[in-house]
Amino acid sequence: GAGVSQSPSNKVTEKGKDVELRCDPISGHTALYWYRQRLGQGLEFLIYFQGNSAPDKSGLPSDRFSAERTGESVSTLTIQRTQQEDSAVYLCASSSGQGVPYEQYFGPGTRLTVT
Amino acid sequence: QKEVEQNSGPLSVPEGAIASLNCTYSDRGSQSFFWYRQYSGKSPELIMFIYSNGDKEDGRFTAQLNKASQYVSLLIRDSQPSDSATYLCAVHNNNDMRFGAGTRLTVKP
Repeated sequence: GAGVSQSPSNKVTEKGKDVELRCDPISGHTALYWYRQRLGQGLEFLIYFQGNSAPDKSGLPSDRFSAERTGESVSTLTIQRTQQEDSAVYLCASSSGQGVPYEQYFGPGTRLTVT
Repeated sequence: QKEVEQNSGPLSVPEGAIASLNCTYSDRGSQSFFWYRQYSGKSPELIMFIYSNGDKEDGRFTAQLNKASQYVSLLIRDSQPSDSATYLCAVHNNNDMRFGAGTRLTVKP
């Protein structure tokens, strides 16, 4: 079956512009996560969605970052007024909470470059 | 204190040796523990998970968990050059997953 997909795969934007990143989780997965990974660094948790519960936004680095999810499907991560330090790979992962407990399946990521 | 800590490495071992990767975590309530492998330029992929104290073996990989010491490790036996990657430790608690910064492993032929 289809895995987690993300779009665009690459995004180059000018400082100050807004960007929107998209994640399509695996069908039926109720949990969805967004992470940021700077070059050579680990994964930085941004936000977590679980079903219809209020999202855990504790990892969002500033109010320029926001995310939405429609039901248990697509999620968008929006970065407003982008800064050069926002340059990173943004990874999305989904999880069913069944089988291997909380195993996350990652998408290919969106590489964001802010010039 | 970071929630999940790993030695960033690089850790270099010769082919055929045992590679030992370590991870400590701060939240005693953590429930499940994962090791992900990430090749350069690729997304992480799950290789092992453990949630009970002790050892869990899967092929050449053994995960070890000690909740009292808040410590989890990954042993890779008979290391191969194809094992060269960054290994991420992840800890699950209260519906979220926190990752360490990863340990970069190089297996030299």
